[in-house]
Amino acid sequence: DIQMTQSPSSLSASVGDRVTITCRASQGIGNYLAWYQQKPGKVPKLLIYEASTLQSGVPSRFSGSRSGTDFTLTISSLQPEDVATYYCQNYNTAPFTFGPGTKVDIK
Amino acid sequence: QVQLVQSGSELKKPGASVNVSCEASGYTFTHYAMNWVRQAPGQGLEWMGWINTNTGNPIYAQGFRGRFVFSLDTSVSTAYLQISSLKAEDTAMYYCVREADGFDIWGQGTMVTVSS
Repeated sequence: DIQMTQSPSSLSASVGDRVTITCRASQGIGNYLAWYQQKPGKVPKLLIYEASTLQSGVPSRFSGSRSGTDFTLTISSLQPEDVATYYCQNYNTAPFTFGPGTKVDIK
Repeated sequence: QVQLVQSGSELKKPGASVNVSCEASGYTFTHYAMNWVRQAPGQGLEWMGWINTNTGNPIYAQGFRGRFVFSLDTSVSTAYLQISSLKAEDTAMYYCVREADGFDIWGQGTMVTVSS
């Protein structure tokens, strides 16, 4: 099975900072990588699919990229409403594993 | 609008069974696979498996084989999750999720609590 790892597990940054979260797949998944945002007490929300395609309605400060089996979610200018846990997910090959999550809060 | 509406919270005793429903609206139910995701309190997201809404064929992740059953009633655009022989460790939020490009539409979640 494909394993997904994320780093860091948590981070604290200031409003306006550029934030980067990394996700690594244990084997190739092509571009079949999605990112989700889950705010405290809320339902997860799809942010990015196919590694870099922004879901409709998602602010443009969010972006995704891929280099081999490494994937990155970037928030270009952190906002207070971005406080959440972010998960990556392989949806290339079942099991469609989620990463363990990265908790983002405001310093 | 496109949405998935799940049944309400459940409180069950160990050994009992529970059924969670997930009613789809706003799109053609059989055009998209339906997945199930579990989230234990304070924990991350765990993919449980999916069901082909055309054939009704389910695929279960390891750890969800045996006591977990996915089913459909396409006449009412509804997917179901049945969990039997409930254990305390089944206490979690359960989500049904439409699969398009990624998991794009999530139900609101059904909290299942297993306690004596």
